[in-house]
Amino acid sequence: GNSVTQMEGPVTLSEEAFLTINCTYTATGYPSLFWYVQYPGEGLQLLLKATKADDKGSNKGFEATYRKETTSFHLEKGSVQVSDSAVYFCALSESGSARQLTFGSGTQLTVLP
Amino acid sequence: DTGVSQDPRHKITKRGQNVTFRCDPISEHNRLYWYRQTLGQGPEFLTYFQNEAQLEKSRLLSDRFSAERPKGSFSTLEIQRTEQGDSAMYLCASSTRLAGESYNEQFFGPGTRLTVL
Repeated sequence: GNSVTQMEGPVTLSEEAFLTINCTYTATGYPSLFWYVQYPGEGLQLLLKATKADDKGSNKGFEATYRKETTSFHLEKGSVQVSDSAVYFCALSESGSARQLTFGSGTQLTVLP
Repeated sequence: DTGVSQDPRHKITKRGQNVTFRCDPISEHNRLYWYRQTLGQGPEFLTYFQNEAQLEKSRLLSDRFSAERPKGSFSTLEIQRTEQGDSAMYLCASSTRLAGESYNEQFFGPGTRLTVL
């Protein structure tokens, strides 16, 4: 079956530090890959996505590249802000289908001023 | 606000009682999903509707759980004879397939937090 493995947290960084959250996946075929973010007290929001190999998803300064050879989709940001403090989830879905998302366990990020 | 809404936001019940949650998807979204999220974990898929048809159910969805979407709009999730292990956040999401898109973005509601005493 499909699975997503995420870097364990929590992660604590100072403002303007570089962020990497690792994500690897196991899936049949060619899944679509996503990063979702959950801010305190809010619902899950799609942060970025990539639907095929070598695609780079980007949004709000965050980036992730779909690496089929390493089955990875690591999230990066060059300079984090206090407002980036949240829980980040890596997820996949089977490409071209309406099927469910398979999530990783989430990584809590805290950014200190 | 026209996002996904869920009601109630919090529910505390005693073991053995029945509970029902409601989800109102984004208008005109024909796909609706239920997930369960326990503390420190990512959401886990429970079931999925396309319009009023329930097309897929996870093995997590025991016989005590039932979901409906009678008119293809809002959905309800009922848990009968609740157990302490049912304590979790229950999330609803909706989506619609756009022409030419190879994926469908799921929009999540704020969730219903269930505590079973």
